[in-house]
Amino acid sequence: QSVLTQPPSVSGAPGQRVTISCTGSNSNIGAGFDVQWYQQLPGTAPKLLIFSNNNRPSGVPDRFSGSKSGSSASLAISGLQAEDDSHYYCQSYDTNLGGSVFGGGTKLTVL
Amino acid sequence: QVQLQESGPGLVQPSQTLSLICSVSGASIRSGGYYWSWIRQHPGKGLEWLGYTYYGGSTDYNPSLKSRVTISIDTSKNQFSLKLTSVTAADTAVYYCATDGDGSGTGWFDSWGQGTLVTVSS
Repeated sequence: QSVLTQPPSVSGAPGQRVTISCTGSNSNIGAGFDVQWYQQLPGTAPKLLIFSNNNRPSGVPDRFSGSKSGSSASLAISGLQAEDDSHYYCQSYDTNLGGSVFGGGTKLTVL
Repeated sequence: QVQLQESGPGLVQPSQTLSLICSVSGASIRSGGYYWSWIRQHPGKGLEWLGYTYYGGSTDYNPSLKSRVTISIDTSKNQFSLKLTSVTAADTAVYYCATDGDGSGTGWFDSWGQGTLVTVSS
Protein backbone atom coordinates (compact mmCIF):
# COMPACT_ATOMS: atom_id res chain seq x y z
CA GLN A 1 0.00 0.00 0.00
CA SER A 2 1.36 3.39 -1.00
CA VAL A 3 1.43 6.22 1.54
CA LEU A 4 -0.24 8.50 -1.01
CA THR A 5 -3.45 7.23 -2.61
CA GLN A 6 -4.23 7.66 -6.31
CA PRO A 7 -6.96 6.13 -8.46
CA PRO A 8 -5.55 3.22 -10.45
CA SER A 9 -6.94 4.52 -13.72
CA VAL A 10 -8.69 7.42 -15.40
CA SER A 11 -9.68 7.96 -19.00
CA GLY A 12 -10.83 10.69 -21.32
CA ALA A 13 -11.36 11.46 -24.97
CA PRO A 14 -9.03 13.72 -26.94
CA GLY A 15 -9.68 17.36 -26.15
CA GLN A 16 -11.31 16.62 -22.82
CA ARG A 17 -10.10 17.52 -19.33
CA VAL A 18 -9.25 14.93 -16.69
CA THR A 19 -8.11 15.16 -13.11
CA ILE A 20 -6.06 12.75 -11.03
CA SER A 21 -6.32 12.92 -7.26
CA CYS A 22 -3.64 12.23 -4.66
CA THR A 23 -4.71 11.78 -1.05
CA GLY A 24 -2.26 11.90 1.82
CA SER A 25 -2.36 12.49 5.55
CA ASN A 26 -1.21 14.77 8.35
CA SER A 27 2.31 13.40 8.15
CA ASN A 28 2.86 14.42 4.53
CA ILE A 29 0.63 16.62 2.36
CA GLY A 30 -1.46 17.70 5.33
CA ALA A 31 1.69 18.68 7.22
CA GLY A 32 2.35 21.30 4.58
CA PHE A 33 4.82 19.51 2.39
CA ASP A 34 4.67 20.23 -1.30
CA VAL A 35 3.32 17.81 -3.90
CA GLN A 36 5.02 16.92 -7.14
CA TRP A 37 3.69 15.08 -10.19
CA TYR A 38 5.59 12.88 -12.62
CA GLN A 39 4.74 11.34 -15.98
CA GLN A 40 6.24 7.97 -16.80
CA LEU A 41 6.16 6.54 -20.30
CA PRO A 42 6.79 2.79 -20.68
CA GLY A 43 10.43 1.84 -20.22
CA THR A 44 11.55 5.33 -19.23
CA ALA A 45 12.36 7.17 -16.05
CA PRO A 46 9.71 9.40 -14.49
CA LYS A 47 9.65 12.95 -15.83
CA LEU A 48 8.85 15.88 -13.55
CA LEU A 49 5.57 17.54 -14.61
CA ILE A 50 4.63 19.72 -11.63
CA PHE A 51 6.71 20.79 -8.63
CA SER A 52 5.77 22.64 -5.47
CA ASN A 53 2.07 21.92 -5.99
CA ASN A 54 1.43 24.07 -9.04
CA ASN A 55 4.66 24.94 -10.83
CA ARG A 56 5.64 23.63 -14.25
CA PRO A 57 9.27 23.04 -15.25
CA SER A 58 10.40 24.65 -18.44
CA GLY A 59 9.04 22.77 -21.43
CA VAL A 60 5.95 21.30 -19.78
CA PRO A 61 2.81 22.49 -21.60
CA ASP A 62 0.37 24.68 -19.70
CA ARG A 63 -2.28 22.00 -20.32
CA PHE A 64 -0.86 20.44 -17.15
CA SER A 65 -1.73 22.09 -13.84
CA GLY A 66 -1.59 21.14 -10.19
CA SER A 67 -3.39 22.14 -7.04
CA LYS A 68 -3.29 21.27 -3.36
CA SER A 69 -5.83 21.57 -0.57
CA GLY A 70 -5.51 20.18 2.91
CA SER A 71 -4.19 16.64 2.74
CA SER A 72 -4.94 16.18 -0.95
CA ALA A 73 -3.68 17.33 -4.31
CA SER A 74 -4.81 17.08 -7.90
CA LEU A 75 -3.27 17.03 -11.35
CA ALA A 76 -5.43 18.40 -14.14
CA ILE A 77 -4.77 17.77 -17.80
CA SER A 78 -6.80 19.78 -20.27
CA GLY A 79 -7.05 19.39 -24.02
CA LEU A 80 -6.12 15.72 -23.80
CA GLN A 81 -3.79 14.48 -26.50
CA ALA A 82 -2.83 10.96 -27.52
CA GLU A 83 0.68 11.43 -26.16
CA ASP A 84 -0.73 12.03 -22.66
CA ASP A 85 -1.58 8.32 -22.50
CA SER A 86 0.81 7.36 -19.68
CA HIS A 87 1.27 6.66 -15.99
CA TYR A 88 1.24 9.56 -13.52
CA TYR A 89 2.64 9.60 -9.97
CA CYS A 90 2.33 12.07 -7.14
CA GLN A 91 5.12 12.55 -4.60
CA SER A 92 5.62 14.38 -1.32
CA TYR A 93 7.68 14.18 1.86
CA ASP A 94 6.55 12.23 4.91
CA THR A 95 7.71 12.98 8.44
CA ASN A 96 6.98 9.45 9.67
CA LEU A 97 9.13 7.93 6.94
CA GLY A 98 11.72 10.67 7.04
CA GLY A 99 11.84 10.69 3.28
CA SER A 100 9.91 10.95 0.06
CA VAL A 101 6.71 9.06 -0.57
CA PHE A 102 4.93 8.33 -3.83
CA GLY A 103 1.42 7.51 -4.86
CA GLY A 104 0.71 4.13 -6.39
CA GLY A 105 0.32 5.68 -9.81
CA THR A 106 -2.58 6.35 -12.15
CA LYS A 107 -2.83 5.05 -15.70
CA LEU A 108 -4.39 7.64 -17.98
CA THR A 109 -5.97 6.20 -21.08
CA VAL A 110 -6.76 8.56 -23.92
CA LEU A 111 -9.73 6.98 -25.64
CA GLN B 1 21.19 20.15 -15.71
CA VAL B 2 22.58 17.25 -13.70
CA GLN B 3 22.92 14.01 -15.61
CA LEU B 4 22.91 10.62 -13.90
CA GLN B 5 23.82 7.14 -15.11
CA GLU B 6 23.34 3.90 -13.17
CA SER B 7 25.63 0.92 -13.60
CA GLY B 8 25.99 -2.48 -12.01
CA PRO B 9 25.12 -6.16 -12.33
CA GLY B 10 21.73 -6.99 -13.79
CA LEU B 11 21.56 -10.31 -11.98
CA VAL B 12 22.20 -10.93 -8.29
CA GLN B 13 21.90 -14.23 -6.46
CA PRO B 14 19.56 -14.53 -3.48
CA SER B 15 21.18 -13.68 -0.12
CA GLN B 16 23.95 -11.74 -1.87
CA THR B 17 24.56 -7.99 -1.94
CA LEU B 18 23.18 -5.77 -4.68
CA SER B 19 25.65 -3.01 -5.59
CA LEU B 20 24.94 -0.16 -7.97
CA ILE B 21 26.81 3.00 -8.88
CA CYS B 22 25.40 6.30 -10.08
CA SER B 23 27.79 8.44 -12.11
CA VAL B 24 27.14 12.16 -11.94
CA SER B 25 27.90 14.76 -14.59
CA GLY B 26 26.96 18.41 -14.77
CA ALA B 27 27.51 18.91 -11.06
CA SER B 28 30.15 18.15 -8.46
CA ILE B 29 28.98 16.08 -5.52
CA ARG B 30 31.73 17.71 -3.47
CA SER B 31 30.18 21.15 -4.02
CA GLY B 32 27.10 20.20 -2.03
CA GLY B 33 23.65 21.57 -2.69
CA TYR B 34 22.02 18.31 -3.71
CA TYR B 35 20.54 15.27 -2.02
CA TRP B 36 21.54 12.13 -3.92
CA SER B 37 18.79 9.50 -3.84
CA TRP B 38 18.02 5.97 -4.89
CA ILE B 39 14.49 5.02 -5.91
CA ARG B 40 13.23 1.67 -7.14
CA GLN B 41 10.23 0.41 -9.04
CA HIS B 42 9.08 -3.18 -8.82
CA PRO B 43 7.88 -4.59 -12.16
CA GLY B 44 4.54 -3.05 -13.04
CA LYS B 45 4.35 -1.24 -9.70
CA GLY B 46 4.85 2.17 -8.19
CA LEU B 47 7.94 4.03 -7.01
CA GLU B 48 9.70 3.47 -3.68
CA TRP B 49 12.25 5.87 -2.20
CA LEU B 50 15.17 3.90 -0.74
CA GLY B 51 17.25 6.68 0.78
CA TYR B 52 19.52 9.63 0.18
CA THR B 53 22.87 11.04 1.07
CA TYR B 54 24.19 14.59 1.19
CA TYR B 55 27.88 15.40 0.87
CA GLY B 56 29.28 16.36 4.23
CA GLY B 57 25.91 15.84 5.86
CA SER B 58 23.21 13.36 6.53
CA THR B 59 22.30 10.01 5.10
CA ASP B 60 18.81 8.66 5.62
CA TYR B 61 17.03 5.50 4.59
CA ASN B 62 13.55 4.14 4.16
CA PRO B 63 12.79 2.47 7.50
CA SER B 64 11.49 -0.63 5.71
CA LEU B 65 14.99 -1.26 4.34
CA LYS B 66 17.17 0.54 6.85
CA SER B 67 18.94 -2.54 8.17
CA ARG B 68 19.98 -3.66 4.68
CA VAL B 69 20.75 -0.49 2.72
CA THR B 70 23.81 1.74 2.54
CA ILE B 71 24.25 4.80 0.32
CA SER B 72 27.69 6.34 0.07
CA ILE B 73 29.64 8.89 -1.96
CA ASP B 74 32.93 8.62 -3.85
CA THR B 75 33.98 12.20 -4.52
CA SER B 76 37.11 11.15 -6.42
CA LYS B 77 34.88 9.63 -9.11
CA ASN B 78 31.90 11.97 -8.65
CA GLN B 79 29.71 8.94 -7.99
CA PHE B 80 27.39 7.68 -5.32
CA SER B 81 26.47 4.09 -4.68
CA LEU B 82 23.78 1.80 -3.34
CA LYS B 83 24.39 -1.42 -1.47
CA LEU B 84 21.48 -3.67 -0.48
CA THR B 85 22.34 -6.77 1.48
CA SER B 86 20.61 -10.14 1.84
CA VAL B 87 18.53 -9.69 -1.29
CA THR B 88 15.52 -11.81 -2.17
CA ALA B 89 13.27 -12.03 -5.20
CA ALA B 90 11.28 -9.18 -3.67
CA ASP B 91 14.20 -6.89 -4.42
CA THR B 92 13.87 -7.46 -8.16
CA ALA B 93 13.16 -4.00 -9.55
CA VAL B 94 14.33 -1.17 -11.75
CA TYR B 95 16.65 0.97 -9.67
CA TYR B 96 16.93 4.69 -10.37
CA CYS B 97 19.32 7.25 -9.03
CA ALA B 98 17.91 10.75 -8.77
CA THR B 99 18.62 14.12 -7.31
CA ASP B 100 16.41 16.86 -5.98
CA GLY B 101 15.70 20.18 -7.57
CA ASP B 102 15.87 22.45 -4.55
CA GLY B 103 18.53 21.02 -2.27
CA SER B 104 16.10 20.56 0.59
CA GLY B 105 15.73 16.80 0.65
CA THR B 106 11.97 17.24 0.87
CA GLY B 107 11.21 18.46 -2.62
CA TRP B 108 11.09 17.26 -6.16
CA PHE B 109 13.31 14.98 -8.21
CA ASP B 110 14.21 16.74 -11.42
CA SER B 111 17.16 14.65 -12.56
CA TRP B 112 16.89 10.89 -12.98
CA GLY B 113 19.11 8.18 -14.36
CA GLN B 114 17.67 5.97 -17.07
CA GLY B 115 17.18 3.15 -14.58
CA THR B 116 18.72 -0.29 -14.39
CA LEU B 117 16.84 -3.56 -13.97
CA VAL B 118 18.22 -5.81 -11.25
CA THR B 119 16.89 -9.34 -11.09
CA VAL B 120 17.42 -11.47 -8.01
CA SER B 121 17.56 -15.09 -9.04
CA SER B 122 19.76 -18.13 -8.79
